[in-house]
This record gives sequence, structure tokens and C-alpha cells, in this order.
Amino acid sequence: SYELTQPPSVSVSPGQTARITCSGDALPNQFAYWFQQKPGQAPILVIYKDTERPSGIPERFSGSSSGPTVTLTISEVRAEDEADYYCQSAGSSATWVFGGGTKLTVL
Amino acid sequence: QVTLKESGPVLVNPTETLTLTCTVSGFSLSNAKMGVSWIRQPPGKALEWLAYIFSNDEKSYSTSLRSRLTISKDTSKSQVVLTMTDMDPVDTGTYYCARIEEYYDSSGYYYWFDPWGQGTLVTVSS
Repeated sequence: SYELTQPPSVSVSPGQTARITCSGDALPNQFAYWFQQKPGQAPILVIYKDTERPSGIPERFSGSSSGPTVTLTISEVRAEDEADYYCQSAGSSATWVFGGGTKLTVL
Repeated sequence: QVTLKESGPVLVNPTETLTLTCTVSGFSLSNAKMGVSWIRQPPGKALEWLAYIFSNDEKSYSTSLRSRLTISKDTSKSQVVLTMTDMDPVDTGTYYCARIEEYYDSSGYYYWFDPWGQGTLVTVSS
């Protein structure tokens, strides 16, 4: 079955830049989406179509794509950005798949 | 304002069938290019996509759970129902529904899974 691979954890200091990667064989041909989930809350969409940012999401959040890897970049990280981040993409036969999630820790 | 709210049993016995309802407001289940998806999350674990249904009644299921899942909608009630048969303790987790919107531009089709409901915790135990 199709899988998306993310690092389990990323740690950065406030004001630094966090980069979270997501790898999958189909990503060169499928858009990726990123969700932020804080403890006890439902996920919210922060990036769609690889690089686009929904209204209301800070400009500090950006997405990029290169071959089988997509990257969520959070610039000038704040304590409030500490959360779990999930990538998502379409799988085969009209299915969807999520990555295993990355816990972002703000030191 | 678009909202989704999940409802269903808190506790389910092993081997029983789970029935969850997602009640939506702020949009219609008959709106073109819109649908609802179910996603679950075991405690402390990752999100897992389960199924979706679109306004044109197009449906899709997780490959690994296809034999146990059924999704349907009642447009007049603004509800989407997910049933999962033969429940097991490993199915314990928070179950979310989310609106899906389909878009198309020069770069192709893309989708929004947004917003999500608050989720409902289902425990499978005897």
C-alpha cells in the first residue's frame, strides 16, 4: 500500500526555521496537503496544492515540492506553532493517505 | 459558517457494528464538487483516512478497511453516516468527519479537507 514518510520529530528554538519533510513515490504526480493538529484539537489545513496557503494561515507557513519529497517550512517559529503536523496526498484508486505525523517541539 | 459534528456511541463491544453520524451545517450535501470524508486517529497515533462520499454519490473506501465500511448520506437531514462492522479494540480512537471540496485549475484537480468536526472518541471494549 502507498505510504507517506515523515520524520517523527523536529525541534527548533523560537525564531528559527523549522522544516518538516514528507516523502512518497506518488508525490511527483499528486498534490500534497499539510495539517496542523494541537493537543485535543481537530486538524486544520495549513497548506494545500503543495505550496498554497489558505486564508488566515500566517505567511510564516510555506510549502515546497521537489520530486518525491514535499516540505513544510515554518519561519520565525513561535511557541504557538508547537503541534503535530501531517502531510496528506492522494493514493491509488481514489483513496487518500496521511503521513505518520511529525511532532514539532519549540525549545 | 460551515460546521460538522460527529455523533455516535462512546463504547462499543467487540464484534459489534459501529454507526457514526456526521451532521453538517453551513453547506448542503447536494452542492456540486462537495463531499464529506471520515478520518480516524487511535490515541497517540497518526491520522488514518477511512472513506468519502461526494454530492454525486461517488464513494471511496480505505483499501485495508473496505470490507468493513459503508458510507451513505441523507441530504434532507444534512447527515453522512459511516458504519464499520466487526469492531475490535484496535479500532479504538477519535473519529472525525471533514468537508471535502474539489477544485480544478490549470494545474489539475485539487482538494480541500476543511473544516473538520471536533471528533468523537469511540472505545471498543467488553
